[in-house]
Amino acid sequence: EIVLTQSPGTLSLSPGERATLSCRASQSVSSSYLAWYQQKPGQAPRLLIYGASSRATGIPDRFSGSGSGTDFTLTISRLEPEDFAVYYCQQYGSSPTFGQGTKVEIK
Amino acid sequence: QVQLVQSGSELKKPGASVKVSCKASGYTFTSYAMNWVRQAPGQGLEWMGWINTNTGNPTYAQGFTGRFVFSLDTSVSTAYLQISSLKAEDTAVYYCAREVIAVAGFGDYYYYMDVWGKGTTVTVSS
Repeated sequence: EIVLTQSPGTLSLSPGERATLSCRASQSVSSSYLAWYQQKPGQAPRLLIYGASSRATGIPDRFSGSGSGTDFTLTISRLEPEDFAVYYCQQYGSSPTFGQGTKVEIK
Repeated sequence: QVQLVQSGSELKKPGASVKVSCKASGYTFTSYAMNWVRQAPGQGLEWMGWINTNTGNPTYAQGFTGRFVFSLDTSVSTAYLQISSLKAEDTAVYYCAREVIAVAGFGDYYYYMDVWGKGTTVTVSS
């Protein structure tokens, strides 16, 4: 099973700041199989990024994904109030797994 | 529009069974596999497995064999998750999520979950 480790666990930032979230895999993951999701309290996860860098329909361009192999990054260029949430990476190998999540909170 | 509507919250006693439904609308049900994801209170997302909506063949993740059963009723575009012999540690929100497989390039495919149900809270308590 591929283990995804996200860092940091919590990111405390102010609106307008840049957020950089990391997702590291225990073994190489195809970029096509790497996705990012956003989850707000009491809500279902929402797809943000698929294929490591492709934005899902309706996702603002302040969200971007990058990376390959074992290291992937989600960047939010300028945090809006609605972006404070928990973010999960997911790999879709033979047995899909999620990272443990990064909480982006208001500083 | 495309949506997955899940059944309501359940309160069950240990040892009982529960069946959660996930009704799809706005797309051809059998064109997309269905995944199930668990989220225990205050915890992250845990992939439980998926079901092929064409064949009805389920695949279960490690830790979700035996007491967990995925099933379908394609006549009403609905997927089901049944959990038997409930334990306190089964207390969680259970999500269904549509799986997309899309062409990424020559011989390469994207995999992701693009539409999620709102979740069904299952509480197991005596």
